[in-house]
Parts: sequence; structure tokens; C-alpha cells
Amino acid sequence: DTGVSQDPRHKITKRGQNVTFRCDPISEHNRLYWYRQTLGQGPEFLTYFQNEAQLEKSRLLSDRFSAERPKGSFSTLEIQRTEQGDSAMYLCASSHFSRSGELFFGEGSRLTVL
Amino acid sequence: AQTVTQSQPEMSVQEAETVTLSCTYDTSENNYYLFWYKQPPSRQMILVIRQEAYKQQNATENRFSVNFQKAAKSFSLKISDSQLGDTAMYFCAYASINTGTASKLTFGTGTRLQVTL
Repeated sequence: DTGVSQDPRHKITKRGQNVTFRCDPISEHNRLYWYRQTLGQGPEFLTYFQNEAQLEKSRLLSDRFSAERPKGSFSTLEIQRTEQGDSAMYLCASSHFSRSGELFFGEGSRLTVL
Repeated sequence: AQTVTQSQPEMSVQEAETVTLSCTYDTSENNYYLFWYKQPPSRQMILVIRQEAYKQQNATENRFSVNFQKAAKSFSLKISDSQLGDTAMYFCAYASINTGTASKLTFGTGTRLQVTL
């Protein structure tokens, strides 16, 4: 296994467009997380899945954001009607339930909204 | 809510020297985990070291060690024999044990460490 992969690595879009990011976790990890990181800040928690169940969503995740993890494998994060404030690095991470806090991160998907 | 504070935005150390990065946190919980994560330039974040709050012994991983002071809510990272590859952003992070959302990390704002020749 090569680790957590994210696609696309970079996305430039115009305000108002929809974007979707994909994350493929480490295969034996049942937990998957999405974080958002802006310049000069630490990652902020967005949402968390255990298998296919979305167990928690941050209040940072407005109605324009939706995440799915069908069949407990890969996950998608969709942002509808993007705004300039959505510009950030979107990080995906996965972990095994037996090792709390030991997250394996992907390289991130950088979103720029013009 | 838990908060994590890193008061050193940037630090510099010469190769082979020792450097200590500071972190304080605020929590009302008694059981939790603390972590240091490293984010090299344009590369993914990786775990450096992990500390369980119920363990009094400070965690060590090769050249990396922590000074965990539970009463003071302090969790510093010491890097010995610094190497050029240690150049990165370092994030301190907190995770509660007691909530149902295991492994939801709260991160500090990071310390940018530059290792120089």
C-alpha cells in the first residue's frame, strides 16, 4: 500500500462552480477524516467517517459541503457554489481504530477559488 | 473545547544542534493523547511522536523526545542532532480519549523549523 492518495492535487475554479475531491485511504484503515488547512494555520477538522458512516461534522462544514464514503472505501468531498473563502488545502487522513490519533495524511488537494 | 497553542511561529537551528519546540494546551479532561506532527515543504504530514496523558514517562522516538508536564499542560518537543531533513512545519495536536469521536485532532498553528548548515 502506498499510503493515502488524494485527487486532484490542485484545483482552480471560478466562484460559484462545484468541485469534488477524492481520497483513497490506506486499505486496512476503517477511519477516514477530512481537514481543511489555510495558510499559516493548523489543520481544522471537517468531518469523520468510520467505515461508511459519517459520525461527526464540524460546524465549519456548511450546507454547501458534503462528504460521502460509499462502501467504506474511498471518500469524496464536494463543495457546491464555491466561494473565495473556500480557498484552502483540503487534507484527507485515515487511521486504524486501534491507534487513536495516529493519522496518516495524504498530500492534500489545494483549492483556489477565483 | 480544547485549544492548542504554539507560541513560536518560526525557529532556526544549526545542523547537529538541539532545538526545543513549545506547546501548551487547555483541557478539562484527564485522559487524552498528545502528538507532534511534521509537515515538510510540499509533502504530507507525518506523525513524529505520541504521548498518552496517563503515562508519566516521556515518549521518545530516536532523536525526538518530549517533555510532558501534565499539571502545567505543557508538551514540548526536543530534536537532538538536528538534520537538514528536519526542516518542516511542526504541529502540536490534542485528541480526547473520552468522546465518541476518537482521533479527532485539534492542532496548534505550527512552528516552522529551519535547519541550517
